[in-house]
Amino acid sequence: GQQLNQSPQSMFIQEGEDVSMNCTSSSIFNTWLWYKQDPGEGPVLLIALYKAGELTSNGRLTAQFGITRKDSFLNISASIPSDVGIYFCALIQGAQKLVFGQGTRLTINP
Amino acid sequence: ETGVTQTPRHLVMGMTNKKSLKCEQHLGHNAMYWYKQSAKKPLELMFVYNFKEQTENNSVPSRFSPECPNSSHLFLHLHTLQPEDSALYLCASSQEPRAVDEQYFGPGTRLTVT
Repeated sequence: GQQLNQSPQSMFIQEGEDVSMNCTSSSIFNTWLWYKQDPGEGPVLLIALYKAGELTSNGRLTAQFGITRKDSFLNISASIPSDVGIYFCALIQGAQKLVFGQGTRLTINP
Repeated sequence: ETGVTQTPRHLVMGMTNKKSLKCEQHLGHNAMYWYKQSAKKPLELMFVYNFKEQTENNSVPSRFSPECPNSSHLFLHLHTLQPEDSALYLCASSQEPRAVDEQYFGPGTRLTVT
């Protein structure tokens, strides 16, 4: 099955720093999704990308759908303590299946 | 609060026990999903239901038995599990199966098999 490579696996940063994480796939897909999972909760959709080259922002979050349609990145600017959590990229495989990356665990030192 | 609730939130069971996980969605959605989230592994889709009918079984062992009595409720019946089945089990729902990019997840049930 399709595998996503998400990196880095974990990040330890200072509050106020910018964060960047990315995902790559071995195949071309039409949709990239980015989720955040807080401790003790399920994933929540942050940003959805549907077009190659698309750049979308959601507050301090910015995500881009790579031109090759095989990669995507998520940036968080000026991190704050509530940004702590696990961030996942995901693709839609077939008609109804989400395939997730391994996740990037973000830890913020105040 | 995403509109998807799961009970219990935590469950410890022995390998010979039988237990059930429950999911309820209050969003009026027609599709419901079970996912497994193991440590250091990506979320894995287990089952998809659409209008109470199972439309996907992602090669899940038969010791996991889903049940969807109506479009608002989804159960996962567990029996003779193995320690490697310990994981966070997440339920999700969407308006329809094709709206996978509009899934809402519940908080999960943390399962420990001893």
